[in-house]
Amino acid sequence: EVQLLESGGGLLQPGGSLRLSCAASGFTFSDYAMSWVRQAPGKGLEWVSGISASGGRTYYADSVKGRFTISRDNSRSTLYLQMNSLTAEDTALYFCAKERTEKFDYWGQGTLVTVSS
Amino acid sequence: DIVMTQSPDSLAVSLGERATINCKSSQSILYSSTNKNQLAWYQQKPGQPPQLLIYWASTRESGVPDRFSGSESGTDFTLTISSLQAEDVAVYYCQQYYTTPRTFGQGTKLEIK
Repeated sequence: EVQLLESGGGLLQPGGSLRLSCAASGFTFSDYAMSWVRQAPGKGLEWVSGISASGGRTYYADSVKGRFTISRDNSRSTLYLQMNSLTAEDTALYFCAKERTEKFDYWGQGTLVTVSS
Repeated sequence: DIVMTQSPDSLAVSLGERATINCKSSQSILYSSTNKNQLAWYQQKPGQPPQLLIYWASTRESGVPDRFSGSESGTDFTLTISSLQAEDVAVYYCQQYYTTPRTFGQGTKLEIK
């Protein structure tokens, strides 16, 4: 059974940093691209960042480019999102999602990031 | 960026009736190599992550009930639930995976009338 378990969310002040993790199991992690998708409270879905199966290619939404860094450790079956210079607009539930030929076929339950002074 | 526009924003349908949700892409999302539109539909129930329903605009994901179907015409896409069940109450999103950034529609909230 595919499982994606996000962690690392929390409450922090504007300008702060946070690293999210997504522990994957139930599939060969190194065979699949992965993404982070976020959802602000009461709002819709926003794709944030994606990474190829090998980790050699990364992609970002303009809203986070230069502030967020996606990475993965295939030996640990774990996906990461390093988030810097956070603002209130980054407040959201962050989901990690497994990609199957570019659509998101499995999602985690999400980890909540709240940026507030 | 490709803009995905859904209509309506919300919809109330009686149990057993048909529900139709529309999605329009701002440009073609047809992948020429496969002649398939790179369009997915997701269902998000309250308090849950999204779930993949349909991909390539009209292919049902494994395990999805056959009352869910997708159709396409150029840059216009439709998700149809043929006979609404109580468990179908959710927000539905379309999403293009033709290019990055991957973009979603704003969502359509489906309720029971």
